[in-house]
Amino acid sequence: EVQLVEAGGGLVQPGGSLRLSCAASGFTFSSYEMNWVRQPPGKGLEWVSYISRSGTTIYYADSVKGRFTISRDNAKNSLYLQMNSLRAEDTAIYYCASWDDVLTGLYAYDIWGQGTRVTVSS
Amino acid sequence: DIVMTQSPLSLPVTPGEPASISCRSSQSLLHSTGYNYLDWYLQKPGQSPQLLIYFGSYRASGVPDRFSGGGSGTDFTLKISRVEPEDVGVYYCMQTLQSPVTFGPGTKVDIK
Repeated sequence: EVQLVEAGGGLVQPGGSLRLSCAASGFTFSSYEMNWVRQPPGKGLEWVSYISRSGTTIYYADSVKGRFTISRDNAKNSLYLQMNSLRAEDTAIYYCASWDDVLTGLYAYDIWGQGTRVTVSS
Repeated sequence: DIVMTQSPLSLPVTPGEPASISCRSSQSLLHSTGYNYLDWYLQKPGQSPQLLIYFGSYRASGVPDRFSGGGSGTDFTLKISRVEPEDVGVYYCMQTLQSPVTFGPGTKVDIK
């Protein structure tokens, strides 16, 4: 079964740090580009960060640039998000996800984890 | 960044009746290949998002044929020919033409 399982969420004080992890199984993790997407309570989806298959290309949303670091370990089939200098507005469910619309063969896929909740509060 | 808007933001529906959601982008999502880089997702209550439509009009694997996507450039529409009770949730459009990927605000569909 294709699966992504996030972990590492929790309650943290403003200015604190958390490291999220995402364990992949059921597919060849190293062949997939990966993303972190977050959803504040009762609100919509916000893309947070992207990492290429090899980890050499990385992008961040402006709202987290300089504070969050995405990484991956293909040998461990795992994706990570190091979150520093956390703010109240970072409170959200964080999803790891992979998606692509593929021209060759004209198909698409998406894989999402169940999410991990991060609460930033004193 | 490409800004995505949706209307309506709330859509009460009657089972068996059709429904339609509009999505607009601040820039054209039509790629030089002729494909629109616009996806539709449904997030059912308590679940993660799931892909419904890709390249603007192609149904993802396993998606019922009552769902259809249309439009091009900056204006897109998701249609449900006959709403089923399991279709309730929040529908998002998402553009993947440019980084950063951006989502619409979501349209909440519920049963009247």
